[in-house]
Amino acid sequence: AQSVTQPDIHITVSEGASLELRCNYSYGATPYLFWYVQSPGQGLQLLLKYFSGDTLVQGIKGFEAEFKRSQSSFNLRKPSVHWSDAAEYFCAVGAYGTNAGKSTFGDGTTLTVKP
Amino acid sequence: DAGVTQSPTHLIKTRGQQVTLRCSPKSGHDTVSWYQQALGQGPQFIFQYYEEEERQRGNFPDRFSGHQFPNYSSELNVNALLLGDSALYLCASSQPTGEETQYFGPGTRLLVL
Repeated sequence: AQSVTQPDIHITVSEGASLELRCNYSYGATPYLFWYVQSPGQGLQLLLKYFSGDTLVQGIKGFEAEFKRSQSSFNLRKPSVHWSDAAEYFCAVGAYGTNAGKSTFGDGTTLTVKP
Repeated sequence: DAGVTQSPTHLIKTRGQQVTLRCSPKSGHDTVSWYQQALGQGPQFIFQYYEEEERQRGNFPDRFSGHQFPNYSSELNVNALLLGDSALYLCASSQPTGEETQYFGPGTRLLVL
């Protein structure tokens, strides 16, 4: 069964500082991996995705993530955080084949940005 | 191009009642998935509809049922509501090309009293 762990429940960074959000997954083959952002009371917005190829993927809003198969990780990074980045971030693993379209999410990391 | 839309945005019900939530997928998408997001947790997969049939189902009881219409829109029905059904219900759509990117709607917030 696939699973996702986001070890950090809450992270606080200062505006302008760098950010790394951790994500570890469990999946039997090469996974589809996603990062989503959710503002309070809103749905999920896709930041970036990894299906295959280059293990460093670029997303919207200046985010990037690196897929590391040996560590079963897909950490999200941003070099300089803006106050508007404060939100909840979810990592997800998606299946393909017979389970295509069924995504499993972590419990999220809440990001607070200090002025 | 309209994205995924859901209605209503908020809903209050009492225990034992039944509720129907609605979702219209993004243009060009034919697959709709439903997720339940309890407070402080990540979304959990309920089920997925494709070609008007339930294709996959997560670990949810039969009280949760759905339907997909010929125009690809979908409904989620929950019978015999429990307090624990209070959550944000998210609909996601994807396209038939095999790429598994799902686009999410804003959700319906259900409160069961």
